[in-house]
Amino acid sequence: AQSVTQPDIHITVSEGASLELRCNYSYGATPYLFWYVQSPGQGLQLLLKYFSGDTLVQGIKGFEAEFKRSQSSFNLRKPSVHWSDAAEYFCAVGVTGNKLVFGAGTILRVKS
Amino acid sequence: DVKVTQSSRYLVKRTGEKVFLECVQDMDHENMFWYRQDPGLGLRLIYFSYDVKMKEKGDIPEGYSVSREKKERFSLILESASTNQTSMYLCASNKPGLLLAGELFFGEGSRLTVL
Repeated sequence: AQSVTQPDIHITVSEGASLELRCNYSYGATPYLFWYVQSPGQGLQLLLKYFSGDTLVQGIKGFEAEFKRSQSSFNLRKPSVHWSDAAEYFCAVGVTGNKLVFGAGTILRVKS
Repeated sequence: DVKVTQSSRYLVKRTGEKVFLECVQDMDHENMFWYRQDPGLGLRLIYFSYDVKMKEKGDIPEGYSVSREKKERFSLILESASTNQTSMYLCASNKPGLLLAGELFFGEGSRLTVL
């Protein structure tokens, strides 16, 4: 069965520091991979997506993610975190039928 | 901008009550989804719909039903609410198609408390 694992429940980084959020997936076919962000009291917003081609994808708000097939990973990165990046981040894999399977989420805290 | 509107942001209901959660989207999307969000569990799919009057079970449909009488509206129904249905409920929509698949547009959520 398809699944997504986000190993870190909480991560705290200092403002201005770099960030990497981990995501591992399990899916038999070529995966379609996504990162979403949920700010407090809000719905989810798409940050970036990978379908094919270049394994390094750029998203909104300065985020990027790298697809590594050999590691079944799709980690999210940002070189310099801003206080407004504090939110919950969800990795997801697209499966047949236009559906998504989501990970459990990683809560990012940013300290000043 | 795509807008997905969930009519109730916060609800408090009693055990055994019938609960309706309403969702409306204004972008003519064929697909609509209801997810449940719980801490540490992420988002789990309850039901989804590809078209009017069509529905399919997701991963956790027990205790829930849905209704889609119009393309823009997708309702989640709890026939007899129970305390274990206390949760955040998120509605989402998108257009069908391979490249568009997965780009879900979400509402702000409905937080339901069942006492």
